[in-house]
Amino acid sequence: GAVVSQHPSRVICKSGTSVKIECRSLDFQATTMFWYRQFPKKSLMLMATSNEGSKATYEQGVEKDKFLINHASLTLSTLTVTSAHPEDSSFYICSARTSGMSFKTQYFGPGTRLLVL
Amino acid sequence: AQTVTQSQPEMSVQEAETVTLSCTYDTSESDYYLFWYKQPPSRQMILVIRQEAYKQQNATENRFSVNFQKAAKSFSLKISDSQLGDAAMYFCAYRSANFNKFYFGSGTKLNVKP
Repeated sequence: GAVVSQHPSRVICKSGTSVKIECRSLDFQATTMFWYRQFPKKSLMLMATSNEGSKATYEQGVEKDKFLINHASLTLSTLTVTSAHPEDSSFYICSARTSGMSFKTQYFGPGTRLLVL
Repeated sequence: AQTVTQSQPEMSVQEAETVTLSCTYDTSESDYYLFWYKQPPSRQMILVIRQEAYKQQNATENRFSVNFQKAAKSFSLKISDSQLGDAAMYFCAYRSANFNKFYFGSGTKLNVKP
C-alpha cells in the first residue's frame, strides 16, 4: 500500500522559534497533500490542502502566515510553524493522495507531536 | 458544508464478539465516498474500509463490514470476532466525489475486553 512518512515524529521547541515538519510520499507521487491538526482526544481538523506546484488552500480560521505550507515536489510537502507559541502544541498529521488512486482516498503519515515550551 | 456525526464517544466489546459503530452524515450530494479509519495508540491513521455511494452492495474487508443506508445517510461499521488489536479510535469520514476535502466525525473509542 501507499506509504507516507513524516519527520520529525516528535519535536520540542522554545516559544518564538520556527519548526518545520516534512511529509513525504515514499512510493507514489502525491499530487495533493493535506495537513491536519489533532487535539487530544479530538478529531482531525483540516488546516490546508496543497497541490504540487501551487499555493496551499487554507481552511477558514487557519493563519496562512503562521502555518507556511510548501509543496515543491510530488513527494514532499512541508509545514512550517512560524514563531511557535504554547497554544500551537498539538499533533500534526499529513496525508497524501494522487489522482490515480482508486476511491480517491488519502493515506496518512504517522504524525508529528509538537510541544512548544 | 457536509457534517459527519458519530454519536458514540466510547464503546466496549468482549473479545471474539461483534460490535457496531454508528455514523451518520449530512449532504446534498449524490456522489461521494465514505470511509472508516482506525487510529491506534500509535496515532497512525489506518484505512479500514471504504464505500462508494453509488454502489448498493455493502463493502466488506475480512472481519470488517459496513451497513450503508444511502437514503438514511447512515454508514455503520461492524467488526466481527473482535480482537484485542482492534482497540483504537475509529473515525468515520466523508469525501465528495468532486472535491478533495475530507470531513471527519468526532471519533468512537473502542475498547476490547479480554
